[in-house]
Amino acid sequence: QSALTQPASVSGSPGQSITISCTGNSSDFVIYNLVSWFQQHPGKVPKLIIYEANKRPSGISNRFSGSKSGNTASLTISGLQAEDEADYYCCSYATGNTGVFGGRTKVTVL
Amino acid sequence: EVQLVESGGGLVQPGRSLTLSCVVSGFTFDEFPMHWVRQAPGKGLEWVAGISWNSYSIGYVDSVKGRFTISRDNAKNSVYLQMNSLRREDTALYYCAKDVGKLVPHYGMDVWGQGTTVTVSS
Repeated sequence: QSALTQPASVSGSPGQSITISCTGNSSDFVIYNLVSWFQQHPGKVPKLIIYEANKRPSGISNRFSGSKSGNTASLTISGLQAEDEADYYCCSYATGNTGVFGGRTKVTVL
Repeated sequence: EVQLVESGGGLVQPGRSLTLSCVVSGFTFDEFPMHWVRQAPGKGLEWVAGISWNSYSIGYVDSVKGRFTISRDNAKNSVYLQMNSLRREDTALYYCAKDVGKLVPHYGMDVWGQGTTVTVSS
């Protein structure tokens, strides 16, 4: 069964850069660049911040960037701000017309 | 304005059924795949089911296969989730979400509804 692994927590000081990793265990994760990233503040609806591994939807700050190499995708937040404190999830295509989310990563701004 | 509005959630006993609906507006519905994503209280996001623009490609997470059915009616701008044989572990906030990609799912959901709560309890 396809699975995505994220760190439980990442922290950084204002202005710093942080990176969240997302490791997939399937060949489909490696082959396809169908990885997306979501930000969710407490009690709010998830928000798409990266799709197709490195594309930003309209209106998303360029402080958010994505990349993928082999079985690991990464989300980098540059110039960390207090408003970036939230839960972050990766999501990707899994085998057989299915999707899968990673476990949440809680980002703390120190 | 792009909008997704879910309905149909509620309190239901284990083993019973419930159907969720999601009505969309503000975009060309029949061009985009759609997904259902759920979030149990205090837990992370879980992809539940997805359907292509023409209903030809459908997928489910293993835990709901054989119990849940996703469908869509492009004439009504609606997507549905029929949930049978509900279990306590299906208790969650269920979101309807639009795929960012046209025709083929990209598994990036760029528009979400506010969600509808399903509670499975006796």
